[in-house]
Amino acid sequence: ETGVTQTPRHLVMGMTNKKSLKCEQHLGHNAMYWYKQSAKKPLELMFVYSLEERVENNSVPSRFSPECPNSSHLFLHLHTLQPEDSALYLCASSLSLAGGTGELFFGEGSRLTVL
Amino acid sequence: QQQVKQSPQSLIVQKGGISIINCAYENTAFDYFPWYQQFPGKGPALLIAIRPDVSEKKEGRFTISFNKSAKQFSLHIMDSQPGDSATYFCAASYYNTDKLIFGTGTRLQVFP
Repeated sequence: ETGVTQTPRHLVMGMTNKKSLKCEQHLGHNAMYWYKQSAKKPLELMFVYSLEERVENNSVPSRFSPECPNSSHLFLHLHTLQPEDSALYLCASSLSLAGGTGELFFGEGSRLTVL
Repeated sequence: QQQVKQSPQSLIVQKGGISIINCAYENTAFDYFPWYQQFPGKGPALLIAIRPDVSEKKEGRFTISFNKSAKQFSLHIMDSQPGDSATYFCAASYYNTDKLIFGTGTRLQVFP
């Protein structure tokens, strides 16, 4: 496989459930990102990892917990979510956080619905 | 506070026409301005990008016009085709990082 792969593509969960979103990149990149995409809103940057170290957490509620075990994998652990958290969650990677090409490579996203 | 403002929210263009999408930014430290294209069910993909040392960049039918003094930049799609129908996002980043700030997106529909 090439590019950025996200699983699952669709997820429906109750407010008390615990689930995880997975992202894998096969591009040899050093930086990985989680973005939230909601209708009529800008893509919201949630978390940034550079060489497996979290370098940014944009005031994201603690019910979202990221994990980056290595430079190729990124997880977003979800627990006690709210209906307003329903959105498309996009993972992206780039060559390097600083001094890179400026190009992000996105996965196809995980569509999350919270009931 | 929205750092990158994009308009219009939606755009309908006839095949062969010119599609124009505008963006304005506030932070003068931004030094990289890409446009991303997103088809339904897909993630955004880089379409074209510009840095503030030039006023225009053209790649095929796609052109970015950049006005540094006005803090505005726009995407022009010449000879628009039905296959161009997608959502377009402008973005900006600064300090030579890949951390992008996105606009709200423009849904473009090109009819035959």
